[in-house]
Amino acid sequence: GAVVSQHPSWVICKSGTSVKIECRSLDFQATTMFWYRQFPKQSLMLMATSNEGSKATYEQGVEKDKFLINHASLTLSTLTVTSAHPEDSSFYICSARETGVETQYFGPGTRLLVL
Amino acid sequence: AQSVAQPEDQVNVAEGNPLTVKCTYSVSGNPYLFWYVQYPNRGLQFLLKYITGDNLVKGSYGFEAEFNKSQTSFHLKKPSALVSDSALYFCAVRDGGGSYIPTFGRGTSLIVHP
Repeated sequence: GAVVSQHPSWVICKSGTSVKIECRSLDFQATTMFWYRQFPKQSLMLMATSNEGSKATYEQGVEKDKFLINHASLTLSTLTVTSAHPEDSSFYICSARETGVETQYFGPGTRLLVL
Repeated sequence: AQSVAQPEDQVNVAEGNPLTVKCTYSVSGNPYLFWYVQYPNRGLQFLLKYITGDNLVKGSYGFEAEFNKSQTSFHLKKPSALVSDSALYFCAVRDGGGSYIPTFGRGTSLIVHP
């Protein structure tokens, strides 16, 4: 149980285009989902927290207009990187948490390369 | 406020030997503590957690961790390391009386030598 999927697992795009990453909780309802960014050999950087049906809460320094997060259902959250630039290239990981359950379960990650 | 420290960037151990990956924390209230493992180019996998109860927590793949309140530590241990245990390990803490968002340590790379 407690499986979280991400799609796509990797994406290469041209600078200036937008990329959408999906995060799904497959066997539980995720009231809260988290989006992280991870640079090589570094820890996770929390980008934003999203609760189903409400606006995401962004961490300081994360541009909300650039990283659009939608959590429209209890099993799906999306992160859209708008007008991507090479510096947005990174490993993006989502996690999901069920109400009343302390553990976060992580997706397998999406590697984004912007050319 | 909550914080977590993993003092070692890397831990090296020979296969078959016991391993320890260190974690210390700071919270205002009761700590909720977690360990995750990350294999290359993968997301994090949950290993174990401490919320309440026995100080020794057993988790996946033969790992265990001991909650030590006086030393504010939650070290990850395994009696006999396997080469396949080589990965990046993250400790996380959440203040049970505060934010529901946990704070992650910077990670410790475990390398198990054959």
